[in-house]
Amino acid sequence: KQEVTQIPAALSVPEGENLVLNCSFTDSAIYNLQWFRQDPGKGLTSLLLIQSSQREQTSGRLNASLDKSSGRSTLYIAASQPGDSATYLCAVRSFGNEKLTFGTGTRLTIIP
Amino acid sequence: GAVVSQHPSRVICKSGTSVKIECRSLDFQATTMFWYRQFPKKSLMLMATSNEGSKATYEQGVEKDKFLINHASLTLSTLTVTSAHPEDSSFYICSALRITGQGGGNQPQHFGDGTRLSIL
Repeated sequence: KQEVTQIPAALSVPEGENLVLNCSFTDSAIYNLQWFRQDPGKGLTSLLLIQSSQREQTSGRLNASLDKSSGRSTLYIAASQPGDSATYLCAVRSFGNEKLTFGTGTRLTIIP
Repeated sequence: GAVVSQHPSRVICKSGTSVKIECRSLDFQATTMFWYRQFPKKSLMLMATSNEGSKATYEQGVEKDKFLINHASLTLSTLTVTSAHPEDSSFYICSALRITGQGGGNQPQHFGDGTRLSIL
């Protein structure tokens, strides 16, 4: 059974700093891994999707990496802004399965 | 593209009421839709997988008679919480997988904005 863990559970950093969020998963047989953002009381916004054959994806100030063999992914946020404050979730789709398994989330607060 | 609309966004009702939540893919067809539940400050937990034209597949521990799912068309799935009680209060989110004609493994799920259900 796939299990996804995110560390840390919460993170506060001053505006302008670069930061890294971590995601680990137990079964490396995956189709893809997705990073989402969730604002309080809202749905999910997809940030980046990395296919199993890829090592990283970039979108603006965001860069996601994937090391499938070690079961790890990171989300790097450059030059953080107060608007980046949200909960960040990673989710993996395992082989032979249409379902996503979500991580526990990291609640990010950027301090102005 | 790939917009998923979920309605209503918020429901407040009395205990014993049945509540229907709709999930629509607006600009694509989806054979498969998913229903998730999220408790405060917790992650999303999959409740069931909804397949067009067939019965939904429920995750272990989810009562199928309590949470009725209907996927009548390629663009609409509904979740009905029957005889809702305060413990059913939660945030419910749906997602949809776009039909591409290619291998489905690399396609992302597209999420609705969620429904906040509060049972008094």
